[in-house]
Amino acid sequence: GQQVMQIPQYQHVQEGEDFTTYCNSSTTLSNIQWYKQRPGGHPVFLIQLVKSGEVKKQKRLTFQFGEAKKNSSLHITATQTTDVGTYFCAGPAFNFGNEKLTFGTGTRLTIIP
Amino acid sequence: DAGVIQSPRHEVTEMGQEVTLRCKPISGHDYLFWYRQTMMRGLELLIYFNNNVPIDDSGMPEDRFSAKMPNASFSTLKIQPSEPRDSAVYFCASSLGRREIDEQYFGPGTRLTVT
Repeated sequence: GQQVMQIPQYQHVQEGEDFTTYCNSSTTLSNIQWYKQRPGGHPVFLIQLVKSGEVKKQKRLTFQFGEAKKNSSLHITATQTTDVGTYFCAGPAFNFGNEKLTFGTGTRLTIIP
Repeated sequence: DAGVIQSPRHEVTEMGQEVTLRCKPISGHDYLFWYRQTMMRGLELLIYFNNNVPIDDSGMPEDRFSAKMPNASFSTLKIQPSEPRDSAVYFCASSLGRREIDEQYFGPGTRLTVT
């Protein structure tokens, strides 16, 4: 079945350092979404990417969709304590419409003050 | 808008008991999703509905799990009988469903502990 893997599983960084999580799908995706889940919270939508090679920025966050539309990345510049949480990518489930998502395994980011 | 509402927020029950989790989606959203999250298995989709009709329940672990959506503003996920391995956080989410790509809005979750 379709698999969406993320690496690394965990990342501990000093505050101010950069952070990157990578998302890889076993199937080509029509689009990809990113969500953030704070500790003890629920996933919250961040952004969606649709086009091959697309790059979008939200302040210190940069999201990229691969040329082959099978991978994506999220890069955070100069991390802050508010960035703590687990970051998930999600893509449409294979053979379903865009409404059904397969979530990645997640990358948990912790910040050392 | 109040967002997706789930109840209870925490549930502790003994093995063999029936558990019912409740969800109120965002008004006007056509899709409703039930997820389960554990450390071992991550975020898994259990079942989802479109306009109150179940579309895909392939993620439901076994017959002990059932879900209903009697109307557009209410859904339940029932586990009967519950087992310790059902301990997890259960999220309900909804999406608008009117655009080609829609984000999902998650509720706060129900943390279930089965002893």
